[in-house]
Amino acid sequence: DTAVSQTPKYLVTQMGNDKSIKCEQNLGHDTMYWYKQDSKKFLKIMFSYNNKELIINETVPNRFSPKSPDKAHLNLHINSLELGDSAVYFCASSLRQANTGELFFGEGSRLTVL
Amino acid sequence: KQEVTQIPAALSVPEGENLVLNCSFTDSAIYNLQWFRQDPGKGLTSLLLIQSSQREQTSGRLNASLDKSSGRSTLYIAASQPGDSATYLCAVNGYGQNFVFGPGTRLSVLP
Repeated sequence: DTAVSQTPKYLVTQMGNDKSIKCEQNLGHDTMYWYKQDSKKFLKIMFSYNNKELIINETVPNRFSPKSPDKAHLNLHINSLELGDSAVYFCASSLRQANTGELFFGEGSRLTVL
Repeated sequence: KQEVTQIPAALSVPEGENLVLNCSFTDSAIYNLQWFRQDPGKGLTSLLLIQSSQREQTSGRLNASLDKSSGRSTLYIAASQPGDSATYLCAVNGYGQNFVFGPGTRLSVLP
């Protein structure tokens, strides 16, 4: 069983569209995250959720919105996609409250905006 | 602001060699340091987590050390194998703070 799973793995879309990426973890962790890895391979935190509450919100455009229906899921919605949004988006989770435990990552979702 | 660097950016070694990857961070007030490997087109796999009170962690052929005062960590890989080829990233955080990632070291182990 995959511990942290994301769908879709690949996403190609046109500028201006709205898209979502889903993430699920079966580890029983309390906190989930979204990271962005750009073309230079730098990983940067976007959001984290702890028990369905947003606890960290980095300065990302408000076109990006995380949605957590329950502790095991954290979805990422992106509105009005732009070329610069092309990147690999990673979901992650950790056992304890934000950033005090080991991080576990999903396989990533590669978004290409044309 | 925490900054993480990793040296070298890329490393190529013959199979069987022991090797060391380096990670440096600017703010020594860290809570965790975690080493990951990333295979091409894949996610990050956690290798070792060192808490600030620890000096090292070992898992199989991997040994990670932490020297908070000097802002350094090393990842030692013994008897390297072609399957070890990947990008190795380190990340650090303060308590309750975001992890900050280094740019990674791309390792190639040649058969």
